[in-house]
Amino acid sequence: DAKTTQPPSMDCAEGRAANLPCNHSTISGNEYVYWYRQIHSQGPQYIIHGLKNNETNEMASLIITEDRKSSTLILPHATLRDTAVYYCIVRVAGGTSYGKLTFGQGTILTVHP
Amino acid sequence: SAVISQKPSRDICQRGTSLTIQCQVDSQVTMMFWYRQQPGQSLTLIATANQGSEATYESGFVIDKFPISRPNLTFSTLTVSNMSPEDSSIYLCSGREETQYFGPGTRLLVL
Repeated sequence: DAKTTQPPSMDCAEGRAANLPCNHSTISGNEYVYWYRQIHSQGPQYIIHGLKNNETNEMASLIITEDRKSSTLILPHATLRDTAVYYCIVRVAGGTSYGKLTFGQGTILTVHP
Repeated sequence: SAVISQKPSRDICQRGTSLTIQCQVDSQVTMMFWYRQQPGQSLTLIATANQGSEATYESGFVIDKFPISRPNLTFSTLTVSNMSPEDSSIYLCSGREETQYFGPGTRLLVL
């Protein structure tokens, strides 16, 4: 699976959009981009994933560049409860096909009042 | 989404003993995994728990130290054997059908 690069930390004001970048320049055509977050003392929480089209759900939006070498997770209106470590992971095509979720160091997002 | 529970949620153990962690998923999942998260670190995959066959271990992890069972599509156990203080970590169970979900973790302290 391709490696990802994320900034170690970011800050965001409450109510503002949080834009978390991720570089995955060696991504293969059959690899999806997944985002998880881990709030302190909890297990990782799935946020969103995508292949090449932009995706949106009730939690966030995922913007993938046309060349698929980078992506941005957008939390449209960050709250204090969004303070967490955010992990960007690339994995071979979804479903039941085997592909490990390999966690890097992630981005520590701190949302402040 | 799948809901995953783990027992125990935390434990304090003496070195040289073993602890078995249970993982229950509220729906059938094709794949189950066990991860370790050492203090201040990211998650590391220990093994993939295969139903009806031996688990597939990642580099650096061996069956004698971390035996895993998976008797059906909703349940798995991880045993941490002959524990030492270096085994103090959070152990997380994960299940995947379409999307991969995680349990809350088991916090283990070995004295």
